[in-house]
Amino acid sequence: DAKTTQPNSMESNEEEPVHLPCNHSTISGTDYIHWYRQLPSQGPEYVIHGLTSNVNNRMASLAIAEDRKSSTLILHRATLRDAAVYYCILRPPKNSGNTPLVFGKGTRLSVIA
Amino acid sequence: NAGVTQTPKFQVLKTGQSMTLQCAQDMNHEYMSWYRQDPGMGLRLIHYSVGAGITDQGEVPNGYNVSRSTTEDFPLRLLSAAPSQTSVYFCASSLDTHSGNTIYFGEGSWLTVV
Repeated sequence: DAKTTQPNSMESNEEEPVHLPCNHSTISGTDYIHWYRQLPSQGPEYVIHGLTSNVNNRMASLAIAEDRKSSTLILHRATLRDAAVYYCILRPPKNSGNTPLVFGKGTRLSVIA
Repeated sequence: NAGVTQTPKFQVLKTGQSMTLQCAQDMNHEYMSWYRQDPGMGLRLIHYSVGAGITDQGEVPNGYNVSRSTTEDFPLRLLSAAPSQTSVYFCASSLDTHSGNTIYFGEGSWLTVV
């Protein structure tokens, strides 16, 4: 299974942009890239996902490298509420077998006021 | 729409006791799974199910049993609790394991084994 690699932790100042990297050098051509985040004492929640093109939603932007071997989650203006653990995972396409969803350790983002 | 509901939220067990963590979803999702999360660690997959009557082991299945008799419910059983099973447990569901389908998580069950 294709795996992802993320830094253990990152720090950002409040109201500054944050770029969270994820390496997935063994990604297949049809794997989707998903990002989830886990706020303290809560279950993880969906942030964004994409396949090849960059994606934007109200929470964040996802920039995907041209070779798809890496991606970056962009929080445009970090707030204290964005302090969380961010997980990058890969999901196979519909025509593949049912493979379990495995999360890594993620990146713990600290936001400084 | 309740989403993914886990019960109980908090539980203290004595070593050797048994208990069941309940998980229910009302979104007609085929895929359900259980994760455990130890302090400061990521999520580790315990067991998962791709549909009613089908279950399989994840990364850390020892000490846990599951069953999937209905699409809605996926209970996690601890037959003989051990202190090493002290953790936070999260149930998750998704339409399936593929492509763009979002994974929904429950709020977690905090389990302490003394």
